[in-house]
Amino acid sequence: NAGVTQTPKFRVLKTGQSMTLLCAQDMNHEYMYWYRQDPGMGLRLIHYSVGEGTTAKGEVPDGYNVSRLKKQNFLLGLESAAPSQTSVYFCASRLMWDQPQHFGDGTRLSIL
Amino acid sequence: GENVEQHPSTLSVQEGDSAVIKCTYSDSASNYFPWYKQELGKRPQLIIDIRSNVGEKKDQRIAVTLNKTAKHFSLHITETQPEDSAVYFCAASRSGANSKLTFGKGITLSVRP
Repeated sequence: NAGVTQTPKFRVLKTGQSMTLLCAQDMNHEYMYWYRQDPGMGLRLIHYSVGEGTTAKGEVPDGYNVSRLKKQNFLLGLESAAPSQTSVYFCASRLMWDQPQHFGDGTRLSIL
Repeated sequence: GENVEQHPSTLSVQEGDSAVIKCTYSDSASNYFPWYKQELGKRPQLIIDIRSNVGEKKDQRIAVTLNKTAKHFSLHITETQPEDSAVYFCAASRSGANSKLTFGKGITLSVRP
């Protein structure tokens, strides 16, 4: 039981490049979330999903897209990376709304 | 939407003393309140949570209290140890399929040996 696995762990991009961050969970959780964490800003929700095939916008969705084609995977895409998207990205999942969220180890993304 | 604030932003205590971290929330419909601990370079991990039908919950050295009238909840850590040093986040959410956690900005707790 690996929990929540994020790939890659680190990545450096140039402005304008695109990439996809993968989140995979093996706990059969319905709900999945993508957050970004910046110094002094806490965890801010980018997008989330309440089940396979569903996605919704969070607090800071601009510049990001997501897909949840399979229940266990939640992908976060950056179509044209910008320096303002330099951050640590965390994926999380939970079984139900009042159950604990389980976080992945994070992806440290730098955009030059 | 929900707004969660944490006070103070940093807290330093002597090993063995107690630490109290407070959070306030704005949405009176919020009814789930977890606390997460994040060590440097690590993932946030749940340490305790409370639902609105309960006023207090304890787990060994950690306790959480909830005051729904005043819309605030607090994390209490007794007999602090150096390994308690971390960033602590509180969060709040409503019930329902589209509920999502709103996190506070975090408090850095330092336990002096």
